[in-house]
Amino acid sequence: GQNIDQPTEMTATEGAIVQINCTYQTSGFNGLFWYQQHAGEAPTFLSYNVLDGLEEKGRFSSFLSRSKGYSYLLLKELQMKDSASYLCAVLDSNYQLIWGAGTKLIIKP
Amino acid sequence: DGGITQSPKYLFRKEGQNVTLSCEQNLNHDAMYWYRQDPGQGLRLIYYSQIVNDFQKGDIAEGYSVSREKKESFPLTVTSAQKNPTAFYLCASHSGTRDGGGELFFGEGSRLTVL
Repeated sequence: GQNIDQPTEMTATEGAIVQINCTYQTSGFNGLFWYQQHAGEAPTFLSYNVLDGLEEKGRFSSFLSRSKGYSYLLLKELQMKDSASYLCAVLDSNYQLIWGAGTKLIIKP
Repeated sequence: DGGITQSPKYLFRKEGQNVTLSCEQNLNHDAMYWYRQDPGQGLRLIYYSQIVNDFQKGDIAEGYSVSREKKESFPLTVTSAQKNPTAFYLCASHSGTRDGGGELFFGEGSRLTVL
């Protein structure tokens, strides 16, 4: 079966750096997405990786290793507004998105 | 501005009633999706449509129905056959091209509560 694993919850301090990991086992691979979702709201797009390596976008970076079936989202200079769930999703061989359950990130002052 | 509009944002229903959630997009996207999200869970695919007049069941289609008569519209009906319909429902669209790099755009969501 297809599977995406993320930690359920993480806690970090304002101003610090946090890394959220995502491992996947899917039938084929056509890219990996990271979305941010605040409670009660729709997900918003953060990043898309299809090639190995690091993609940087402001305070957020996303890394992909296809051979290891692994990605991480790196958040720097954490702000209180970064408290949210972070969803990892993989586009499989049929171009369907397989979603992880999400990682709830709690930021403390 | 282009986007996806879902309505209603909040909906209450009595057991045994059918309800229809609206989803309209003006992004000229071919592909549209309906997801269900339960507290602390990821997104689960109910139905998707890659083209007008065609749609496919997702992982949890039982108790739901859809139609795709127009490119812009993809309404979801939650029928009385759905045993546990209380959830947050999200509609999304994608350009549908196979480059895969396009962002999946989401509506604001509809929260359905069965009384």
